[in-house]
Amino acid sequence: KAGVTQTPRYLIKTRGQQVTLSCSPISGHRSVSWYQQTPGQGLQFLFEYFSETQRNKGNFPGRFSGRQFSNSRSEMNVSTLELGDSALYLCASRLTGTVSYEQYFGPGTRLTVT
Amino acid sequence: AQRVTQPEKLLSVFKGAPVELKCNYSYSGSPELFWYVQYSRQRLQLLLRHISRESIKGFTADLNKGETSFHLKKPFAQEEDSAMYYCALSGDNQGGKLIFGQGTELSVKP
Repeated sequence: KAGVTQTPRYLIKTRGQQVTLSCSPISGHRSVSWYQQTPGQGLQFLFEYFSETQRNKGNFPGRFSGRQFSNSRSEMNVSTLELGDSALYLCASRLTGTVSYEQYFGPGTRLTVT
Repeated sequence: AQRVTQPEKLLSVFKGAPVELKCNYSYSGSPELFWYVQYSRQRLQLLLRHISRESIKGFTADLNKGETSFHLKKPFAQEEDSAMYYCALSGDNQGGKLIFGQGTELSVKP
């Protein structure tokens, strides 16, 4: 099976702009989670989507939002970008209805805000 | 509070030496523990999960509920084991949320 894919892989934006990142999960995986990875804060959970509904949310401001489509693909949006939003954004998918909560990660989108 | 602690930021060993990467957790409920590894320029990938009790690439980890620990061990380190290792936790009231430790960089010297 193809792994989790994310587009684009790299982005450079300026402060105040908005950005949309895309994630395609592993075929058959209906849950998609997003994480922010920075050298200072490490890996932090943003939110999870399942069946087009947000099921869980991390401690991030409302500028961070997401959605999921009927084919389980997910997008994440960050509005009014700040310098501190520069990070690697990771998407992960998992198979629901099993005993394990293991997740499979994409390669990430490297966002640089200038 | 739900938390994962990896006390060592960097662990440096020589090839052939034993390795132990420490992980302690705090969780109210029934946790599921994982070790993820990130090799240079590669994606984060699942190494081990406690429920399967398997050995991958010579690594093992045992969940100790009494000490709330999930340390990763390998008897003989190889240079190709050099990478960032993350301990992570999920559980029945976390859904798709993984709580990660800060990571330990393992450097295996020849």
